[in-house]
Amino acid sequence: GQNIDQPTEMTATEGAIVQINCTYQTSGFNGLFWYQQHAGEAPTFLSYNVLDGLEEKGRFSSFLSRSKGYSYLLLKELQMKDSASYLCAVMDSNYQLIWGAGTKLIIKP
Amino acid sequence: IAGITQAPTSQILAAGRRMTLRCTQDMRHNAMYWYRQDLGLGLRLIHYSNTAGTTGKGEVPDGYSVSRANTDDFPLTLASAVPSQTSVYFCASSPKSLNTGELFFGEGSRLTVL
Repeated sequence: GQNIDQPTEMTATEGAIVQINCTYQTSGFNGLFWYQQHAGEAPTFLSYNVLDGLEEKGRFSSFLSRSKGYSYLLLKELQMKDSASYLCAVMDSNYQLIWGAGTKLIIKP
Repeated sequence: IAGITQAPTSQILAAGRRMTLRCTQDMRHNAMYWYRQDLGLGLRLIHYSNTAGTTGKGEVPDGYSVSRANTDDFPLTLASAVPSQTSVYFCASSPKSLNTGELFFGEGSRLTVL
């Protein structure tokens, strides 16, 4: 079966750095996506990786290792507004998105 | 303001009743999707439409039906609601027919079936 694993919850301090991991086992691979979802709101697109390596976008970076079935989302200079759930999703060989359950990130002052 | 509009935002429904969740987008996107989101689970695809006039089944289609009469509208119907259909439902769209993974989501419809 297809599976996406990410931690259920993480806590970090304002101004710090946090890394949210995602491991996957899917039927084929056509890219990995990270979405941000604030409580009670819609998910919004953050990043896309299809090749190995690091993609940087402002305070957020996303890393992919296809051989290890592994990705992480790195958030720097954490702000209170970064408190949200972060969803990892993989596009399989049928171009269907397989979603993880999400990691709830709690930022403390 | 361009985007996706879902209605209703919240609804309590008796089991056995018929319910239609509405979804309208004004971005002229080809593909549209319906997902359900349940606590502790990832988003699960119910039905999708790659272009107007076509629809397909996702991971959890049973008990749900959709139609795509035009580009903008993609309603989701529960013919006879059951308590296990209590969930938050998200409509989403993407610009191209082939799923590029970058989805634009509506604000969600919270449905409770009693």
